[in-house]
Amino acid sequence: SAVISQKPSRDICQRGTSLTIQCQVDSQVTMMFWYRQQPGQSLTLIATANQGSEATYESGFVIDKFPISRPNLTFSTLTVSNMSPEDSSIYLCSSQRPENTEAFFGQGTRLTVV
Amino acid sequence: AQSVSQHNHHVILSEAASLELGCNYSYGGTVNLFWYVQYPGQHLQLLLKYFSGDPLVKGIKGFEAEFIKSKFSFNLRKPSVQWSDTAEYFCAVTLNTGGFKTIFGAGTRLFVKA
Repeated sequence: SAVISQKPSRDICQRGTSLTIQCQVDSQVTMMFWYRQQPGQSLTLIATANQGSEATYESGFVIDKFPISRPNLTFSTLTVSNMSPEDSSIYLCSSQRPENTEAFFGQGTRLTVV
Repeated sequence: AQSVSQHNHHVILSEAASLELGCNYSYGGTVNLFWYVQYPGQHLQLLLKYFSGDPLVKGIKGFEAEFIKSKFSFNLRKPSVQWSDTAEYFCAVTLNTGGFKTIFGAGTRLFVKA
């Protein structure tokens, strides 16, 4: 299994600012994803982080709001830009095994925007 | 659009009661099916998975799930729950739409009374 570390684990931010979340995987993985889990709700896929190319965003999510980087096979960042209280959520990084798509998750970043 | 539906959002059971959580998905192609569990204060982890073969799969901690292709269902069962099974359970489906994408159900919060 892959071990995924996210930083920070939690943060409280002022509206209008931006936060960058880091995700480190302990082994090279081809597939990395970013999810959002709003209070009391399920996981919603934000985007697929592609190594060496632009991320693939899901409907309702755009690059200007959630820029993603993936410089190599073990690391990715998600930035939440120009934050508002509606962005308060848990943000999760995930990797999947290509052979069976089993997903592994980090502990998440709990973001509160005030 | 592809979706995953979990029938119950909250379930309360007494210890030793039997559990069945419903899950249906809407996608006509090949899927990989998963149940993930999130214990209080912990990150998501895999409970069990189905890719092919025997439609009845067994997971950790006595859980099992049955894939019924004709019903697009993947219900989770446990004959006798324990207090330690208190957690949130997510059904998930991975689709191959040119790239792999995992869609999660809304989750079911299970509370087991001691």
